[in-house]
Amino acid sequence: EVQVVESGGGLVQPGGSLRLSCVASGLTLSKYWMNWVRQAPGKGLEWVANIKRDGSEKYYVDSVKGRFTISRDNGKNSVYLQMNSLRAEDTAVYYCASPGEWGQGTLVTVSS
Amino acid sequence: QAVVTQEPSLTVSPGGTVTLTCGSSTGVVTSGHFPFWFQQKPGQAPRTLIYDTSNKHSWTPARFSGSLLGGKAALTLSGAQPEDEAEYFCLLSYSGPRVFGGGTKLTVL
Repeated sequence: EVQVVESGGGLVQPGGSLRLSCVASGLTLSKYWMNWVRQAPGKGLEWVANIKRDGSEKYYVDSVKGRFTISRDNGKNSVYLQMNSLRAEDTAVYYCASPGEWGQGTLVTVSS
Repeated sequence: QAVVTQEPSLTVSPGGTVTLTCGSSTGVVTSGHFPFWFQQKPGQAPRTLIYDTSNKHSWTPARFSGSLLGGKAALTLSGAQPEDEAEYFCLLSYSGPRVFGGGTKLTVL
């Protein structure tokens, strides 16, 4: 059975940092471009960032450039999202997604 | 970054056929945008239905199909079932970055 599991979400103050992790079982992440996608409460999906199979290319939505960093460790079958200088508008459920499989998401709340 | 547009809402009768579309502010949507379609039901994570315009996953019901239609990506549901009531999102690739459409809320009524 394929499982994608995100972790690392929580409550953080504006300006703070969080590191999200995504680990898969039954799925070899190194075969895929991997994505982070977020969904603010009651809103649609927003693509946040992606990373090439070997980590050599990374892309970000404009609103997170310079604040978020996506990375991967294919040896650990994992993908990460380092989030710095967090803002209230970053509050959302963050999903890790391969082209086919999604995790259940981890909630990030930015609030004082 | 580009803006991707979808119908905000559509209604289909049980057993009926409906087509959802996905347009791009940059112009014609082509296979080079590698269109994806996702289904999301309330309280659930999204599920990938279609990738690269028209390819289905093993779990994609046969009644769903993807195509390019009139300069847009399209998702056609033929023979709608009550369980198909959900929100549907498309995703387009712009040579690296991706952009989601705003979603189409599909009602089966």
